[in-house]
Formats: sequence, structure tokens, C-alpha cells
Amino acid sequence: AQSVTQPDIHITVSEGASLELRCNYSYGATPYLFWYVQSPGQGLQLLLKYFSGDTLVQGIKGFEAEFKRSQSSFNLRKPSVHWSDAAEYFCAVGAYLKTDKLIFGTGTRLQVFP
Amino acid sequence: GAVVSQHPSWVICKSGTSVKIECRSLDFQATTMFWYRQFPKQSLMLMATSNEGSKATYEQGVEKDKFLINHASLTLSTLTVTSAHPEDSSFYICSARILGEVGEQFFGPGTRLTVL
Repeated sequence: AQSVTQPDIHITVSEGASLELRCNYSYGATPYLFWYVQSPGQGLQLLLKYFSGDTLVQGIKGFEAEFKRSQSSFNLRKPSVHWSDAAEYFCAVGAYLKTDKLIFGTGTRLQVFP
Repeated sequence: GAVVSQHPSWVICKSGTSVKIECRSLDFQATTMFWYRQFPKQSLMLMATSNEGSKATYEQGVEKDKFLINHASLTLSTLTVTSAHPEDSSFYICSARILGEVGEQFFGPGTRLTVL
């Protein structure tokens, strides 16, 4: 069965520090992988996605993620965090079988201190 | 581009009443829309997949008669919570996939439902 694991429920970093949010997936074939961000009371905004090709993917707001097939991981990174990055981050995998639904991880809440 | 709207953004209703939530793709056509439910500080749980012109596909454990989904056009899907009860209070989010494309879903801003 397809699944997504985000091991870190809550991460706190100082503004300007680097950030890495972990995501591991379980999927029977090549996955479609996504990172979304959600601000409180809001919908989800796509940060970046991986379908195929270059395993290092650039996204919006200075985020990037690297697909590592051998580790079944798709970790999100940012070299210097801004206070406005404080939000909930969700990793998702596409289960493109009969219904192309997304399976979401449990999310990582990012807190940024000045 | 690829904007999805939801209406209303929040709603408060009495127990036993029905509530309809609309999900619209504003600048694209969507053959498939998805409805999610999110409890506080939790992840999104897929409730159903809505396909234009056909019956929705519900996830295991989701009551079809309680959560009625209609996808009457390529830009509109509705979720009706029938005979709502306090335990139905939640944040409901829809998403849509662009006609002819695979992969990415575009999400609406969500609807906060509170049942008194």
C-alpha cells in the first residue's frame, strides 16, 4: 500500500538558518511526489513537484527537494529560512492507479524564531 | 492560473440541517475534483473523488448518503453534508485536476464547517 511518512511533527528553527524537512514514501512504482504548504486556516499551496527527470527540483519561495529513489525519500530544503515560512508542510505521493488520488503525510509544523 | 475557489469559506449550522459547499475551478476545466477533510492539526484525509458526469468514488469509511457529491459541470463540484451533527465539524478542502493533465492537484482555500 502507498504511504507517506513525515517523521518530524514539529520543527523550530531560527530565522536565517537552513531547513530540511524529511519525507519518506512507500510506493510500488515510480511515484509522483509533491510538497505543499498550508498557512493556518488556508488551503494548500504547491511548493514543488517531481514527476521524472532531474532528481533535484526547484520550487517557489526558494525551496528545493531531492528525490532519492534508493532511500525512498523526497526531502525539502531551504538554505535560509524567513519568518514568513512558518506554516504546515505536507509531503504527498501520487497513487496513479485507478484513481489518481494523492496520499498525504501527517505534516510538519515549522516554527521560525527571530 | 489554475485557481480553485470554495464557497462558503465558513459556515455555522444547527444540528440536523444540511449544508452545501461549492468548489469551482475558475480558469480551467476539471474532469476530476477531490474532496478532503482535515481535523485540527492533522493531515488531509481524502473523502471522495468526483468525476464530471458520473458518480463519485468514496473512500472506505465515508458515508455516501451523508456526504453527497455532485459534479455537474467541468468547473463545479458540490459537497452536501446532510443532517449535519457536531462530529461533522471540520475543515473541508477541495482540489481539482486540469483536464487532460496528470499529477498536480490545485487546492481551494477550504471551508470551515461548525455544527452546533
